[in-house]
Amino acid sequence: EGQLLESGGILVQPGGSLRLSCAASGFPFRAYTMTWVRQAPGMGLEWVSTITGTGDTTYYADSVKGRFTISRDNSENTLYLQMNTLRADDTAVYYCAKERQWLRDWGQGTPVTVSS
Amino acid sequence: DIQMTQSPSSLSASVGDRVTITCRASQDISHYLAWVQQKPGKAPKSLIYGASSLQSGVPSNFSGSGSGTDFTLTISSLQPEDIATYYCQQYFSYPRTFGQGTKVEIK
Repeated sequence: EGQLLESGGILVQPGGSLRLSCAASGFPFRAYTMTWVRQAPGMGLEWVSTITGTGDTTYYADSVKGRFTISRDNSENTLYLQMNTLRADDTAVYYCAKERQWLRDWGQGTPVTVSS
Repeated sequence: DIQMTQSPSSLSASVGDRVTITCRASQDISHYLAWVQQKPGKAPKSLIYGASSLQSGVPSNFSGSGSGTDFTLTISSLQPEDIATYYCQQYFSYPRTFGQGTKVEIK
């Protein structure tokens, strides 16, 4: 089943940028569509973005479209989320997940706080 | 976008009780429905996919049913370790959408 390990979450000022990483191991990374989901404090789950195995196709939630970019490096088995023009409402724990259409396996999450 | 509506938002039941959570989609999503469990302070975990298929390793007291717009998650005999928030999620189309969650507590 493998493992997913997110990193990169920190405290950042509004308007700032941040890149999250998700290191994958134990499964054929390039064969899987990957997804980012976030959870604001005390709130439910929100789908953020998805990228296909080859990286050719990406999808974004309207709330992040134009500000966030999902990408992957299949040679390094790593998924990324580049987050620009961050806002206070981007504050959340960000999870990466491996898809088999549904979100089959999840990482432990990395917290992002956007505050001055 | 497809809206997912869960009910109830929270429930309190006794150990051994049968617990049912419903999820309604705003349009037909066939069987493209998953259930996710999130225990307090932990990452989410896949429970059920395809509306009724149990993820490997998930106890058999969990079951799912439904198709189209109406779905159900059932815990046949509630155990203390089942305390969690449960979310439905459609993967019929993008954007993927989750229900608002159902918090299950022990009475």
